[in-house]
Amino acid sequence: DAGITQSPRHKVTETGTPVTLRCHQTENHRYMYWYRQDPGHGLRLIHYSYGVKDTDKGEVSDGYSVSRSKTEDFLLTLESATSSQTSVYFCAISGTNRRNTEAFFGQGTRLTVV
Amino acid sequence: DQQVKQNSPSLSVQEGRISILNCDYTNSMFDYFLWYKKYPAEGPTFLISISSIKDKNEDGRFTVFLNKSAKHLSLHIVPSQPGDSAVYFCAASALGNQFYFGTGTSLTVIP
Repeated sequence: DAGITQSPRHKVTETGTPVTLRCHQTENHRYMYWYRQDPGHGLRLIHYSYGVKDTDKGEVSDGYSVSRSKTEDFLLTLESATSSQTSVYFCAISGTNRRNTEAFFGQGTRLTVV
Repeated sequence: DQQVKQNSPSLSVQEGRISILNCDYTNSMFDYFLWYKKYPAEGPTFLISISSIKDKNEDGRFTVFLNKSAKHLSLHIVPSQPGDSAVYFCAASALGNQFYFGTGTSLTVIP
């Protein structure tokens, strides 16, 4: 594994509650990403970060926010969870200072919103 | 709109034969392409990549072919082994290190 830890690994939460997922890396990689995986949709980018405090939206960012206050941590927050956000969430990291490098993924967080 | 497409949700192949997984993309700005393998309850793991300046890249049993004019890439696995049974995702990136993934192809290698 490429030094990526996601927490929690599993979570069940109620509709309307806030949820924060954490991604921690020990590789000092510049880029960090949050993806969600859903049947029939593959992996879709939610948000990504290209440095401390530098973030941008991905394909499916509505309902999600992110923060990166340290190089090693990238947080994904669902401000008010909905059932449509039930999914498996993956964090990924890539790149040091060069382009065209692969992304390495964490083990995933299975989130269920009831 | 899906910029990276894998039109075959599943593929079954006999052990020892060739597996060919296909992927199409629409964005001509993509210049780096990757294949990932995913087992259940695990994160995707990087398999092989190719830059747009090449048309082929080989790593052991795995070869990726890129046809830029057709906006098509394929992954060949020869010979296929039962341990290759997994979901395979193709991905593409452009200038900003954003990775766009396809919907995946589930490969089953039959012993």
